[in-house]
Amino acid sequence: AQSVTQPDIHITVSEGASLELRCNYSYGATPYLFWYVQSPGQGLQLLLKYFSGDTLVQGIKGFEAEFKRSQSSFNLRKPSVHWSDAAEYFCAVASLGSGNTPLVFGKGTRLSVIA
Amino acid sequence: ETGVTQTPRHLVMGMTNKKSLKCEQHLGHNAMYWYKQSAKKPLELMFVYNFKEQTENNSVPSRFSPECPNSSHLFLHLHTLQPEDSALYLCASSQDPAGRAPDTQYFGPGTRLTVL
Repeated sequence: AQSVTQPDIHITVSEGASLELRCNYSYGATPYLFWYVQSPGQGLQLLLKYFSGDTLVQGIKGFEAEFKRSQSSFNLRKPSVHWSDAAEYFCAVASLGSGNTPLVFGKGTRLSVIA
Repeated sequence: ETGVTQTPRHLVMGMTNKKSLKCEQHLGHNAMYWYKQSAKKPLELMFVYNFKEQTENNSVPSRFSPECPNSSHLFLHLHTLQPEDSALYLCASSQDPAGRAPDTQYFGPGTRLTVL
């Protein structure tokens, strides 16, 4: 069965500092990987996704993520964090299969940004 | 209106009440999903509908009853809920997930449900 681990429950960074959120997945075949962001009181918004090809994926709001098969990781990065980036971040994995392909989510990492 | 909308945004109900959550997608998608988001737990998939047909029921108790009258609308009917059912219920939709690479799911803002 697929699973996603986000080791960090809560991270605090200073505004302008770089950010890396960790995500590890467990899945036998090639995974399809996603990062979503959830602001307070809101639904989930897709930041970026990896299906195939270039392992460095660019997303919205200046985020990027790198797929590393050898490490079963898909870490999210941003070179300079803005206060508006404070939110909950979810990594998710899906697999190719028959019919619908549900997403399996990690527990999320809450990002706080301080001045 | 664009994207995925959910109503109501907040709902408080007693354990003996019957209520319904509504989701509408304006994206022309073929699949719709209900997820439950509880504190300190990962998002849990509840139901999946593809072209109005239920394709997945993730061992959800019968006190939750989904309905999908067409590809644009999805309901979650609630009755005799328990306090532990209090959570954020998220609806999502996607274009055409069947048999190919999974398509992106677009989420609504959720309904915050409190069961007293």
